[in-house]
Amino acid sequence: EADIYQTPRYLVIGTGKKITLECSQTMGHDKMYWYQQDPGMELHLIHYSYGVNSTEKGDLSSESTVSRIRTEHFPLTLESARPSHTSQYLCASSDRGIHEQYFGPGTRLTVT
Amino acid sequence: KNQVEQSPQSLIILEGKNCTLQCNYTVSPFSNLRWYKQDTGRGPVSLTIMTFSENTKSNGRYTATLDADTKQSSLHITASQLSDSASYICVVSDRGSTLGRLYFGRGTQLTVWP
Repeated sequence: EADIYQTPRYLVIGTGKKITLECSQTMGHDKMYWYQQDPGMELHLIHYSYGVNSTEKGDLSSESTVSRIRTEHFPLTLESARPSHTSQYLCASSDRGIHEQYFGPGTRLTVT
Repeated sequence: KNQVEQSPQSLIILEGKNCTLQCNYTVSPFSNLRWYKQDTGRGPVSLTIMTFSENTKSNGRYTATLDADTKQSSLHITASQLSDSASYICVVSDRGSTLGRLYFGRGTQLTVWP
């Protein structure tokens, strides 16, 4: 069982609100990732980080932003939530080796 | 374009039966292929990971095969249990980046009935 945590697990919020999705891992992994997944669809990479103070955008364009001030913490922020942001957000981390990625339980976001 | 295609999209089987899920990929250059199990509302959990030189790997009742020449993989589940009901995702990694970019299939939704 991987030691990677996400909070909240479920969030229902109104349009225009600012939200932050939390992700923490205790494995000391340098690389961390945020994925977006709609029901029945594949995961899409939206952000990743090689380490502290490193953040990059992924394959899928996203209005969210991320920060990596500490190795173990990789929060994702939406400044102004919209219904189109409704989705499941999965955080993952990996070590330097064979790139095995460990996933958190996900945050199910609903914007009304 | 790097892609991962899975079939069938969904599958229903009776408890105790065996089943095989398929994965075809076009990712190049190939690094490794993984099968993940994703329960509803949860994050994916790794079942197996295979590199280019491996053609079969087992994890309990799960056996994955890889044919790197034809770029095909399968996941065989033996003596299915109700807890096997989940989405099974095929994921391929390329060697072309230090990130270890992953390409995800859409998954096969397996339902096991009693």
